[in-house]
Amino acid sequence: DIQMTQSPSTLSASVGDRVTITCRASQSISSWLAWYQQKPGKAPKLLIYKASSLESGVPSRFSGSGSGTEFTLTISSLQPDDFATYYCQQYNSYPETFGQGTKVEIK
Amino acid sequence: QLQLQESGPGLVKPSETLSLTCTVSGGSISSSSYYWGWIRQPPGKGLEWIGSIYYSGSTYYNPSLKSRVTISVDTSKNQFSLKLSSVTAADTAVYYCASRSGSPGISDPWGQGTLVTVSS
Repeated sequence: DIQMTQSPSTLSASVGDRVTITCRASQSISSWLAWYQQKPGKAPKLLIYKASSLESGVPSRFSGSGSGTEFTLTISSLQPDDFATYYCQQYNSYPETFGQGTKVEIK
Repeated sequence: QLQLQESGPGLVKPSETLSLTCTVSGGSISSSSYYWGWIRQPPGKGLEWIGSIYYSGSTYYNPSLKSRVTISVDTSKNQFSLKLSSVTAADTAVYYCASRSGSPGISDPWGQGTLVTVSS
């Protein structure tokens, strides 16, 4: 299985901060990477697919980059609605696997 | 716009079979554009892909669960289902169904999720 490792596990930030979350794959996954946002008690919501493609309706302050084994999710200016847990997911090969999550907390 | 809704028992006894159904609205489960999948999340933990199915019946399972999982589709009811046999407390989780762009693929949208507790 491809292991996905996110860092940090928890991130404390303030409204307006630029936030970067990293996801590393244990082997190359090309650009087959997605990012999801999950709020407490809710289902995950797709933000980014194919490493850098923004899902329709997702604010442009979210962006993704990377290929191969290293990827980043960036929030250019953190908004109150962005405090949540973020997961990366590889879909290069079976079984699909997720990172352990990064919780973005209010500083 | 696709919407998905999980249904099924919220409590299952150890060693029994967990059965959930996902009802799809706003689109046809027979569409060639979609696969359909199940993902679970133990309380306070991360996400685990369980498996996926195409309307034709082709299935793809996580090897870690493959011996216990069956996913099926009922095109007449616009539903697909999950069965997980021989459950233990480790199978306690929120179970989500989702529409998928492919297999392997991304999941979008998701159902709201349903908590299944394994306990006697």
